[in-house]
Amino acid sequence: GAGVSQSPSNKVTEKGKDVELRCDPISGHTALYWYRQSLGQGLEFLIYFQGNSAPDKSGLPSDRFSAERTGGSVSTLTIQRTQQEDSAVYLCASSRTMNTGELFFGEGSRLTVL
Amino acid sequence: QQPVQSPQAVILREGEDAVINCSSSKALYSVHWYRQKHGEAPVFLMILLKGGEQKGHEKISASFNEKKQQSSLYLTASQLSYSGTYFCGTEESGAGSYQLTFGKGTKLSVIP
Repeated sequence: GAGVSQSPSNKVTEKGKDVELRCDPISGHTALYWYRQSLGQGLEFLIYFQGNSAPDKSGLPSDRFSAERTGGSVSTLTIQRTQQEDSAVYLCASSRTMNTGELFFGEGSRLTVL
Repeated sequence: QQPVQSPQAVILREGEDAVINCSSSKALYSVHWYRQKHGEAPVFLMILLKGGEQKGHEKISASFNEKKQQSSLYLTASQLSYSGTYFCGTEESGAGSYQLTFGKGTKLSVIP
C-alpha cells in the first residue's frame, strides 16, 4: 500500500505482559516517529528515527519502552511488563525529508491493558 | 516543550470563521498544523517555516510570528467537513533534533 501501515490495529493484553507494535513506513521515507495518544489527549512524542543516525529517545516514558528500526524501514515499538496506564493509541508517522516535513500518520494501534 | 493551544474547543455554525492559536515558550524553527477526525489518523494541513515560507490549504490559512513564537490557524467560511481536532506541532530552533512536539489540540465542531 501507499500509506503508513501499523499492526495490530487492536491489542488487548493483561497487565505485566509484553507487547510489540509494528510500523511499516512509506517507502523511501527516511524519518519515522512514534507518538502516543491517550483518550481525549494530544499526541505525546515517544521516539524519532532518522536514517542511520542515533534515534531521539527523549520521549520514551520509562525503560519499559523501547523501539528499533531495522534496515531503515520497518520499526517495532516494544512495551515490557505493560501497565494499565499504557493503554492508548500508538501512532506511527513517516516523513520523506531529514528536515521535518509533512508527517504521514498510520491508523494507529489501540492498546488496552486489563 | 509542549506548545499551548487555545481555545480548547469551539462550536461554529456553517459559514462562520474561527481562529485557533498556538504558542510556545521556545524559539521555533517551524510550526505544523494537522487535523484529526474522530477515529482517524491526523492529516497534514500546512507547515510554516522560520523566515516566512508558508504553504496553504483551501480556505484555511495560517500565520507565524517568529518573535512571539506564536502561530494562528484561520478557518474561513467553515464547512461541516472542517469538524475535528486541530493540532499544532512545533519544532524548536537549534534543538539538534527534528522532534515535532504537538499541543493538546482544539476540538472544532461545525453545526448546520
